[in-house]
Amino acid sequence: AQSVTQLDSQVPVFEEAPVELRCNYSSSVSVYLFWYVQYPNQGLQLLLKYLSGSTLVKGINGFEAEFNKSQTSFHLRKPSVHISDTAEYFCAVSDRGSNTGKLIFGQGTTLQVKP
Amino acid sequence: DGGITQSPKYLFRKEGQNVTLSCEQNLNHDAMYWYRQDPGQGLRLIYYSQIVNDFQKGDIAEGYSVSREKKESFPLTVTSAQKNPTAFYLCASSIRIGHQETQYFGPGTRLLVL
Repeated sequence: AQSVTQLDSQVPVFEEAPVELRCNYSSSVSVYLFWYVQYPNQGLQLLLKYLSGSTLVKGINGFEAEFNKSQTSFHLRKPSVHISDTAEYFCAVSDRGSNTGKLIFGQGTTLQVKP
Repeated sequence: DGGITQSPKYLFRKEGQNVTLSCEQNLNHDAMYWYRQDPGQGLRLIYYSQIVNDFQKGDIAEGYSVSREKKESFPLTVTSAQKNPTAFYLCASSIRIGHQETQYFGPGTRLLVL
């Protein structure tokens, strides 16, 4: 079984500052890793995913994440945030060996970008 | 215009009433999923379906039912047995490429109890 822990429920940051949203996972098997963003009262939008290869993954809207197998982490970063990045961010994993695409989600991190 | 649609955007349920949430996709995806979202709890899987006429329970299936008669459609019924139905419901679909699936989400339906 897998579990996902997002270490911060809320992250306040000023506009144009860098940000890191932390995600740790626990799994006895190899996993795929995902970050999704949710704007208020909307569905989830895929930001990026790690499948294999380079551990640094680039996504949309200037976000990137780094997979660290030894620390079982997949932290999301952006060097300079905008007001429009204010949203809730979810980290998720799925089992590489499964014949389904079932996702296990973290509890979410609310990013609050202040002017 | 391809995508996943959910309707209605808001739904009100009276005590003892069954309500059905619609989810339609025109992406030709094989698998479809229903999640429930509560504040501070992330998303929890209710049901999923990998092919037409087949579906599996997720982690919180009690009080819910689904059908998958068409590839494009995966409606969710919230029955009167679900005692705490107030939540945001999200539908997703995915297609398998090799060993990997990526889920794409609809805009959601907010269910409120009167």
